[in-house]
Amino acid sequence: SAVISQKPSRDICQRGTSLTIQCQVDSQVTMMFWYRQQPGQSLTLIATANQGSEATYESGFVIDKFPISRPNLTFSTLTVSNMSPEDSSIYLCSVARQDNEQFFGPGTRLTVL
Amino acid sequence: DAKTTQPPSMDCAEGRAANLPCNHSTISGNEYVYWYRQIHSQGPQYIIHGLKNNETNEMASLIITEDRKSSTLILPHATLRDTAVYYCIVRVGWGGATNKLIFGTGTLLAVQP
Repeated sequence: SAVISQKPSRDICQRGTSLTIQCQVDSQVTMMFWYRQQPGQSLTLIATANQGSEATYESGFVIDKFPISRPNLTFSTLTVSNMSPEDSSIYLCSVARQDNEQFFGPGTRLTVL
Repeated sequence: DAKTTQPPSMDCAEGRAANLPCNHSTISGNEYVYWYRQIHSQGPQYIIHGLKNNETNEMASLIITEDRKSSTLILPHATLRDTAVYYCIVRVGWGGATNKLIFGTGTLLAVQP
């Protein structure tokens, strides 16, 4: 299986600030995804990030709020911009392999005050 | 929207088999059935996936009906550590128009001592 790490594992931030979450994979992968899990809820896909192309955002998510970078095949970042308490969630990175398996990172727990 | 229907919760006695049902009546011919689970405060864990044949691995068995409109995940000998939310997801395979996993609300499996 792919080993995925995320930094930071958790953070507490003030409203109006921004936080950049890093996702590192131990092998090269083409497809990476970012999810959000609000308290007590299921996972919601934010965007798909493929290396060499712009991220594709799901309905309800925009690039200005959640800019994503994908500089190479093992790394991606998600920025949560101009945060409000409603952005308090767990943010998860995920990668897909050509054998149809998909793996998830441990998540970043964000609290916005 | 999620394309699967699962019961919101189930109980199972420790040591017994846990059978988790999933309905996916609108599944397309090129869509796989995936199962993930999420133990509290952790990232989702891949369990198993299949297209139309039954599948078994070290964690579980996946039984897909002949018409592919429903499936059952079987944990042969449930332990307390299997208490988690189990998600059934349908997704096209690699190379399809979209490889993203869309999560529904899942089934909370509570294994009782």
